[in-house]
Amino acid sequence: EVQLVESGGGLVQPGGSLRLSCAASGFTFSSYWMSWVRQAPGKGLEWVANIKQDGSEKYYVDSVKGRFTISRDNAKNSLYLQMNSLRAEDTAVYYCATDSSGYYYEFDYWGQGTLVTVSS
Amino acid sequence: DIQMTQSPSSLSASVGDRVTITCQASQDISNYLNWYQQKPGKAPKLLIYDASNLETGVPSRFSGSGSGTDFTFTISSLQPEDIATYYCQQYDNLPPKLTFGGGTKVEIK
Repeated sequence: EVQLVESGGGLVQPGGSLRLSCAASGFTFSSYWMSWVRQAPGKGLEWVANIKQDGSEKYYVDSVKGRFTISRDNAKNSLYLQMNSLRAEDTAVYYCATDSSGYYYEFDYWGQGTLVTVSS
Repeated sequence: DIQMTQSPSSLSASVGDRVTITCQASQDISNYLNWYQQKPGKAPKLLIYDASNLETGVPSRFSGSGSGTDFTFTISSLQPEDIATYYCQQYDNLPPKLTFGGGTKVEIK
């Protein structure tokens, strides 16, 4: 059974940093693109970043470029999101998600999400 | 960047009604369009991929159509368990980025 379990969320002050993790199991993690998707309270979904199977390609939504870094450790079946210079507008539930086709086209597996709150 | 305009933002319909949601892309995206259902407090669930393909296990009352810039998602006969917010999502190839529509909240009248 495919499982994606996020962790690392919490309350952080504006300008602060946080590192999210996503532990994957039940599939060959190294064979799949991985993504982070977020959802601000009461708002819609926003794709944040994705990373290729070997980590050689990474892409970001414009609003987080230069502040967030996506990475992965295939030996540990884990995905990460390093978030720096956090702003109030980064407050959201962050989901890790993947496309079981091996591409990045859609998300058929999702984690349960981890809440990040940026507030003083 | 490609923008996705989804409408309506909310709708209210009776059990058994046909429900239609539209999504318009700011430029031609071929059939690179997916639809999700999200219930409160839960992660989204993929329903339709590549504009018209039903994901395995999804009831056949859900369907999608369209290509280019205009897409439609339909629930042929609304059921109480369909109460949720629905999102369209497109994907680019160069670079590989994704964009969601604003969502449509479906309620029972």
